[in-house]
Amino acid sequence: ETGVTQTPRHLVMGMTNKKSLKCEQHLGHNAMYWYKQSAKKPLELMFVYNFKEQTENNSVPSRFSPECPNSSHLFLHLHTLQPEDSALYLCASSQAGPGGEKLFFGSGTQLSVL
Amino acid sequence: GENVEQHPSTLSVQEGDSAVIKCTYSDSASNYFPWYKQELGKRPQLIIDIRSNVGEKKDQRIAVTLNKTAKHFSLHITETQPEDSAVYFCAAHKGGGTSYGKLTFGQGTILTVHP
Repeated sequence: ETGVTQTPRHLVMGMTNKKSLKCEQHLGHNAMYWYKQSAKKPLELMFVYNFKEQTENNSVPSRFSPECPNSSHLFLHLHTLQPEDSALYLCASSQAGPGGEKLFFGSGTQLSVL
Repeated sequence: GENVEQHPSTLSVQEGDSAVIKCTYSDSASNYFPWYKQELGKRPQLIIDIRSNVGEKKDQRIAVTLNKTAKHFSLHITETQPEDSAVYFCAAHKGGGTSYGKLTFGQGTILTVHP
């Protein structure tokens, strides 16, 4: 499979649940990102990883915990979320360097928190 | 930090007409401006981009113009087709640092092309 793959595509969880979102890229990139897309709001950057190291945390609440075990995989661990966290969570990858402004997005995980 | 404003929020045109979407940015240090297209239920995809050393770039029916002095850039789609219907996002990137994919996005424009 090519490109950026995210699983699951849809997720419904209660506020006390713990779940994880998974992202895998097959593009040979070394930078990976989590973006949040809420209705009627701009895409918001959450986290940036360059060569497995976190380089950006855009003031994201601790109930969102990212993990990047290698340059091809990125996870977002979720626990005790709030209903306002319901959104489309998009993973993206790019080169880690010049040209890295061009993002390749996955199809996202549509998250609903009940 | 950077702030990107995008207008209009919705745009409806007849097939064959032109469509223009405009964005303004606040940080004069921004030097890269991409446009993404997101069809319903699909991933955002880069359709065209421009760097601050260029005033205009064209790719078939789409073009982007940049006015650095006024800090605004625009997407132009000519001869629109129904398959152009989607949400379009502009974004800005500030040069320097290590997070090359750190983009600030506009709010999006829902473009509908009527047959």
